[in-house]
Amino acid sequence: ELKVEQNPLFLSMQEGKNYTIYCNYSTTSDRLYWYRQDPGKSLESLFVLLSNGAVKQEGRLMASLDTKARLSTLHITAAVHDLSATYFCAVDISGGGADGLTFGKGTHLIIQP
Amino acid sequence: DTGVSQNPRHKITKRGQNVTFRCDPISEHNRLYWYRQTLGQGPEFLTYFQNEAQLEKSRLLSDRFSAERPKGSFSTLEIQRTEQGDSAMYLCASSFAGYEQYFGPGTRLTVT
Repeated sequence: ELKVEQNPLFLSMQEGKNYTIYCNYSTTSDRLYWYRQDPGKSLESLFVLLSNGAVKQEGRLMASLDTKARLSTLHITAAVHDLSATYFCAVDISGGGADGLTFGKGTHLIIQP
Repeated sequence: DTGVSQNPRHKITKRGQNVTFRCDPISEHNRLYWYRQTLGQGPEFLTYFQNEAQLEKSRLLSDRFSAERPKGSFSTLEIQRTEQGDSAMYLCASSFAGYEQYFGPGTRLTVT
């Protein structure tokens, strides 16, 4: 059974600081997704990582994938309040979505002024 | 708005009643997924369709849950004889050929 573990599950940080969220998964996969969810809202796609060594950046967020280590990271640079949200990583082990996505429990991020 | 849409957005029902939710995917997407999300958890995969064929349904939570996608367009998720434990957010997502899944706004179900 695929397990996806995120840490930390809760993170409170100050604006301007850097931090990294980690996503470990237990079964071989080369497709990993990062989503953002605001309270009471649905999921917004942030990054799609499709191969070992993939790195994608958008604004203050950068995601990477190491399929050999079964690890993805989401790095936040110089955090701003607007990035406060819950961030989920999700793994696709079928390679085509046939088993759906398996999500981590999410990292609840609060960025304080 | 050409994204995934879901109706209703909120549903309150009494225990034992049946409920049905609708999902309209992005028009060119051939795959449609249903997930359930409970408070403080990530979404949990329930079932998926490729066009009108339901290719995975073993993850539906019980035989009270069923889904259809007639004609490969919109989909419905039905829960029969609702229980309080069914209270959750039900999310629909669609994709083209198994790539990135785009999620709808969800239907929040409250069973009293």
